[in-house]
Amino acid sequence: NAGVTQTPKFRVLKTGQSMTLLCAQDMNHEYMYWYRQDPGMGLRLIHYSVGEGTTAKGEVPDGYNVSRLKKQNFLLGLESAAPSQTSVYFCASSYGHSYNEQFFGPGTRLTVL
Amino acid sequence: AQKITQTQPGMFVQEKEAVTLDCTYDTSDQSYGLFWYKQPSSGEMIFLIYQGSYDEQNATEGRYSLNFQKARKSANLVISASQLGDSAMYFCAMRDQTYNQGGKLIFGQGTELSVKP
Repeated sequence: NAGVTQTPKFRVLKTGQSMTLLCAQDMNHEYMYWYRQDPGMGLRLIHYSVGEGTTAKGEVPDGYNVSRLKKQNFLLGLESAAPSQTSVYFCASSYGHSYNEQFFGPGTRLTVL
Repeated sequence: AQKITQTQPGMFVQEKEAVTLDCTYDTSDQSYGLFWYKQPSSGEMIFLIYQGSYDEQNATEGRYSLNFQKARKSANLVISASQLGDSAMYFCAMRDQTYNQGGKLIFGQGTELSVKP
């Protein structure tokens, strides 16, 4: 099992450019999440999905969109990147929503110039 | 609102000694889950240990144990016999188990642990 994978690992964008981060999991998990981690802070939830075809906003959703067309994939899009979106992005998945741990991907380091 | 507080930005411990990393939480829910994750310098998030709010015994996983004091709303991580490889950032997190909220994790700001040889 590969677990949770993220593509790409690193990316540099210019302000105003767009991009999509791809998260894939092979554990048949229903729940998937996108977090961002900024220096000196813990992870904060951007968007999440409780199943194929469903998405919901988290704590810091502005400037991001997501899609979950297939159960194993969760895409995070930046339509018009801003320097404030420079961060490390983590995808996570879990089987259930209560007592189950979340499994994290390796992260994507994004820099917006 | 739910909140996790880690008051120790950095900690030092001598190799082979035990160390306690503090975590306090705030929630009005009766049912919740508490997690600790380790983030080494390579950046990945590694799950360490879980404690459910209804668990009567403290959770243990190898050298990790969770000192759960429900009345004080604290969930401290204890690492016994520290090793050099334990040097990392440690995050305490609480699972939001509110119905229809997706079970998102709420993280503290982290504690950076350095193990001295």
